[in-house]
Amino acid sequence: QQQVKQSPQSLIVQKGGISIINCAYENTAFDYFPWYQQFPGKGPALLIAIRPDVSEKKEGRFTISFNKSAKQFSLHIMDSQPGDSATYFCAASKGDDKIIFGKGTRLHILP
Amino acid sequence: DAGITQSPRYKITETGRQVTLMCHQTWSHSYMFWYRQDLGHGLRLIYYSAAADITDKGEVPDGYVVSRSKTENFPLTLESATRSQTSVYFCASSEQGDTQYFGPGTRLTVL
Repeated sequence: QQQVKQSPQSLIVQKGGISIINCAYENTAFDYFPWYQQFPGKGPALLIAIRPDVSEKKEGRFTISFNKSAKQFSLHIMDSQPGDSATYFCAASKGDDKIIFGKGTRLHILP
Repeated sequence: DAGITQSPRYKITETGRQVTLMCHQTWSHSYMFWYRQDLGHGLRLIYYSAAADITDKGEVPDGYVVSRSKTENFPLTLESATRSQTSVYFCASSEQGDTQYFGPGTRLTVL
């Protein structure tokens, strides 16, 4: 129930294309769903986050889509750029301050 | 500089030795966390702390010890290092348990 399942493990997208990473969770008590971005040799950094009272959140080229009934959420990167190449982690938490991370997706954008 | 720092950045040690990884944050965040990152496993929580003198186990605490006598410091000790503890270790801090801010990581190799 504590798991967050993330797919795919790796993803290759052409420059200008749309990158989509999916996550699923079981625990309906989760109320905060962040996405973290990690570049090689660096620590993860918060990219965008959503709470279950909205179905979508957009920040620039990055959009989170949230489906509460299906217990799924996804990250969409529009007009993907080589600089977006990184590892992306979805996560979930339920207010007790521990964040449960997915296993990560290694995204590579072809120039 | 303000932020979260980790030291050392790289460490090579031998099996059976004691190793301490340091983490320091300048924001006075209440919460601090230790994760290990391994290929195929994503980020796994080792220990976390909600305040000074309060610590709790995460997903993979065996073989590790933490302490938090001051709000800004959260050292992680490997009492008797094993090869399976070769990993990249990340410290993170958070004020209210939502957004976590990660340090740059410590790459530990146990020979």
